[in-house]
Amino acid sequence: GQQVMQIPQYQHVQEGEDFTTYCNSSTTLSNIQWYKQRPGGHPVFLIQLVKSGEVKKQKRLTFQFGEAKKNSSLHITATQTTDVGTYFCARMRSGTYKYIFGTGTRLKVLA
Amino acid sequence: NAGVTQTPKFRVLKTGQSMTLLCAQDMNHEYMYWYRQDPGMGLRLIHYSVGEGTTAKGEVPDGYNVSRLKKQNFLLGLESAAPSQTSVYFCASSYSGLGETQYFGPGTRLLVL
Repeated sequence: GQQVMQIPQYQHVQEGEDFTTYCNSSTTLSNIQWYKQRPGGHPVFLIQLVKSGEVKKQKRLTFQFGEAKKNSSLHITATQTTDVGTYFCARMRSGTYKYIFGTGTRLKVLA
Repeated sequence: NAGVTQTPKFRVLKTGQSMTLLCAQDMNHEYMYWYRQDPGMGLRLIHYSVGEGTTAKGEVPDGYNVSRLKKQNFLLGLESAAPSQTSVYFCASSYSGLGETQYFGPGTRLLVL
């Protein structure tokens, strides 16, 4: 169907290490959004990718959209304790206004 | 601007009781959404609205009803609560539905005994 698979489910890293989460779809995506949810908090929008092969950066965060528009990744360089949280990708179901969220990747950063 | 607010923050219900969750936004957004979040399941869309007076079913609508009588408010109702509805409920809004940023409220934690 139009589900989005997110891997890994959990990731523990030492502070200063890099981190990457992947979002994969079996169907072509019109766009992909990324959200971050801090523990006990609510999802907060990070970015939207629309174009094939698009790469966007926000400080230590790099977002990529695959050439075939079927996958996306979020890479964090030199993680900090403030990066702790769950990262979700979300896609819009074709022909609707419904958003489908991935199951999320929970990141723990060990100081 | 308060953004998106949700009432109440936390509630305990007994099986069979009813309640209404209120979502309010002050950003003049057309689109509003209700999600539930369960451990390991991500966010699942319950119902949504593309404008005042309109509502539509999401992915998991059973057991819930919604109303959007005013543009700024989106109500989620549970007529007869069940333990399976224990969850964290998030409301979100966006200016339009087409790839727009969704702004989320702080969430309502519901426990059904």
